[in-house]
Amino acid sequence: DQQVKQNSPSLSVQEGRISILNCDYTNSMFDYFLWYKKYPAEGPTFLISISSIKDKNEDGRFTVFLNKSAKHLSLHIVPSQPGDSAVYFCAASDGGQNFVFGPGTRLSVLP
Amino acid sequence: EAGVVQSPRYKIIEKKQPVAFWCNPISGHNTLYWYLQNLGQGPELLIRYENEEAVDDSQLPKDRFSAERLKGVDSTLKIQPAELGDSAVYLCASSPGTGGAEQYFGPGTRLTVT
Repeated sequence: DQQVKQNSPSLSVQEGRISILNCDYTNSMFDYFLWYKKYPAEGPTFLISISSIKDKNEDGRFTVFLNKSAKHLSLHIVPSQPGDSAVYFCAASDGGQNFVFGPGTRLSVLP
Repeated sequence: EAGVVQSPRYKIIEKKQPVAFWCNPISGHNTLYWYLQNLGQGPELLIRYENEEAVDDSQLPKDRFSAERLKGVDSTLKIQPAELGDSAVYLCASSPGTGGAEQYFGPGTRLTVT
């Protein structure tokens, strides 16, 4: 049973437009969430995080929104750039040191 | 600052053979993780170390997998004997160990079992 779901395996967006990547979770004990970006042949790299005490966190072009009641979070990238093309993983933790990862969404930003 | 180092980057072995992966975490990071990543899926935790102690190995298939982190720095993950289904990318990550800290991943070792 997947505790962290990313139901869109892939997403294509035009350069300059907004990319919205979605993530749903089932475990109500999760209280800390992260997004990672992964390029081919590299390990995932940390992008942005959010604690359950917040509903929004922003870092430059990247904003994460958390809706606790819906157990849903989303990553917004605006404006999208070709270098953003990668696989994005959502991860969640229940406050411990272990994180559960979603299956990832492959983002393609078209020039 | 050097990142997480893993070796080898690629390994091809025949089934039933042993294989070992090595990880050197970021200096000062007390927590070390080994993950398995299958194609099209996210990383799945195999084992987590706090210094030299394995604090969560509940997902490690102990009949064939073993890991160690002597002196609380470098770590090795071993599979003996390897099976066809073990073909995957094995990722090592480390974190400073504070609550909620993000993890820093190495590039991974891609294992192919034939």
